[in-house]
Amino acid sequence: DSGVTQTPKHLITATGQRVTLRCSPRSGDLSVYWYQQSLDQGLQFLIQYYNGEERAKGNILERFSAQQFPDLHSELNLSSLELGDSALYFCASSAITGTGYSYGYTFGSGTRLTVV
Amino acid sequence: AQKITQTQPGMFVQEKEAVTLDCTYDTSDPSYGLFWYKQPSSGEMIFLIYQGSYDQQNATEGRYSLNFQKARKSANLVISASQLGDSAMYFCAIPSGAGSYQLTFGKGTKLSVIP
Repeated sequence: DSGVTQTPKHLITATGQRVTLRCSPRSGDLSVYWYQQSLDQGLQFLIQYYNGEERAKGNILERFSAQQFPDLHSELNLSSLELGDSALYFCASSAITGTGYSYGYTFGSGTRLTVV
Repeated sequence: AQKITQTQPGMFVQEKEAVTLDCTYDTSDPSYGLFWYKQPSSGEMIFLIYQGSYDQQNATEGRYSLNFQKARKSANLVISASQLGDSAMYFCAIPSGAGSYQLTFGKGTKLSVIP
């Protein structure tokens, strides 16, 4: 157990639908990152939250949004789903060191989303 | 922007032998680090090893070691005494984005350990 919890592990849904993926970071970690892993694009950074605030955005579609709650868990919302959104979605958390450089990213086990 | 190149899509190694997985990187950051992750067929991403650019000695974690050559911008992963359980995808990654530290990943190398 990495300490990062993602739910659900598997999700099958139809095109046009909306889903929410949930992530609880490792205890003490303030940063949460979302990544998408697909066969054609590889592992891509989507978005980062730090202590409740958005810190950085990557290749995240406008149909996707995320937030981090006061208890530090995060949710990734995917709407108007398309077949191409089928992928493995990872959440990771990290501790930001005093020097400003994080280390030891810890990934959750991922949510496998299948859009049919 | 940071870039990671893993030139070996797939590799085979005999059980108990050592294997080197290649990774080259490009970054403009004066201080950076390199991560290696393992992804078995079950899908989870497992942290293996990390080395910062100013670390004097190559990092070692059990059977994993980093052959870090800054002048060549390479950070190859060496796995000694390969085991069947080492069969997996291996990804090299570098943090990018000032103040953010999101990871940029290479395309990965699929390692197959042969009995």
